[in-house]
Amino acid sequence: EAGVTQFPSHSVIEKGQTVTLRCDPISGHDNLYWYRRVMGKEIKFLLHFVKESKQDESGMPNNRFLAERTGGTYSTLKVQPAELEDSGVYFCASSQGGDPYYYGYTFGSGTRLTVV
Amino acid sequence: DQQVKQNSPSLSVQEGRISILNCDYTNSMFDYFLWYKKYPAEGPTFLISISSIKDKNEDGRFTVFLNKSAKHLSLHIVPSQPGDSAVYFCAAGSSGSARQLTFGSGTQLTVLP
Repeated sequence: EAGVTQFPSHSVIEKGQTVTLRCDPISGHDNLYWYRRVMGKEIKFLLHFVKESKQDESGMPNNRFLAERTGGTYSTLKVQPAELEDSGVYFCASSQGGDPYYYGYTFGSGTRLTVV
Repeated sequence: DQQVKQNSPSLSVQEGRISILNCDYTNSMFDYFLWYKKYPAEGPTFLISISSIKDKNEDGRFTVFLNKSAKHLSLHIVPSQPGDSAVYFCAAGSSGSARQLTFGSGTQLTVLP
């Protein structure tokens, strides 16, 4: 079974530019999450999809961030325009229905975003 | 304010000895707790979880202890192996609300051969 796939693995962009991160969850996983780790600190929740619907986007920092999940499959996270403080590692995770607390999420390897 | 705290950024242990990683939380609504392990350039990998109705959960070399009154949990690894060297994250969630997890900032464990 393929894991959670994220690309690109690294992205370096200039302040003010736009970047789109992509996540392909494990096939059949209805739940998809985005998290971010900034400067080696804690991993922070951004948002949660159930199929194509946003279940919880309380962690999205501001309206420069836009997440979509097409047809309940892959998801994209767009940052427009990027600011220096957006630098960090963006993780995507997925889980099947049922309580993820027992089984945990499956995380992707992350996209390291550097805004210069 | 951080609701999940891992106050030790790093820990070094000799191979074969016990590793104890600690985590404190402040939110009384948390009723599930998880530990994840992360190697460089990889995503976090789920290790073990515990519900607030328990005070201990074991899985092979890994045991998680929960002290609800102290709002403290710990992960014990016995015996420690060099392959256990990684960053360990504590995470917490509330089953009564959304499925987001709140993570600590991680502890870098180094197991010395």
